[in-house]
Amino acid sequence: EVQLVQSGAEVKKPGESLKISCKGSGYSFTSYWIGWVRQMPGKGLEWMGIIYPGDSDTRYSPSFQGQVTISADKSISTAYLQWSSLKASDTAMYYCARKGAGDFDYWGQGTLVTVSS
Amino acid sequence: EIVMTQSPATLSVSPGERATLSCRASQSVSSNLAWYQQKPGQAPRLLIYGASIRATGIPARFSGSGSGTEFTLTISILQSEDFAVYYCQQYNNWYTFGQGTKLEIK
Repeated sequence: EVQLVQSGAEVKKPGESLKISCKGSGYSFTSYWIGWVRQMPGKGLEWMGIIYPGDSDTRYSPSFQGQVTISADKSISTAYLQWSSLKASDTAMYYCARKGAGDFDYWGQGTLVTVSS
Repeated sequence: EIVMTQSPATLSVSPGERATLSCRASQSVSSNLAWYQQKPGQAPRLLIYGASIRATGIPARFSGSGSGTEFTLTISILQSEDFAVYYCQQYNNWYTFGQGTKLEIK
């Protein structure tokens, strides 16, 4: 069974750094792209970027380029999304998802990030 | 960037009736279009990909159609569990989601 399991909810202060994770299982982790999607409170879905764990090829949405860093450690089948300096506007639910035939066929359960002073 | 526009924003339909949701792309995305369902507190779930192909385990009452710039998701006989928010997504040029259609009980 394909599963993506994300790390738990985080509460941070503005200016702090953060790295959240997404661990894949039940399939060949290095053979599928993993994307990250933001959902701000009460809002829709926004694609942030995507990584191919096999060679760490990474692409970013122009809206998120320079704002976050996506990485992966294929030895432990885990992808990451990180911030160097959080802002209140980064408060959102973040989902990882596996790229299937173009679409996102499997999703993690989401990681809620709250940034507040 | 390809802009995806969904209509209506909210659709009120009675259980047992048909629901038709629309999605328009600002430029052609061929058949590289997916539909997702999201219920409160849950991650999105893939329903349709390739504009018309049902994902694994998706009931036959869900169907997708269209190509190019105009797409439709039809739910033929609404069940109580179908009331949710639906998003379209193009993956012809990276990814863009529509703003969502909330399907509510009439």
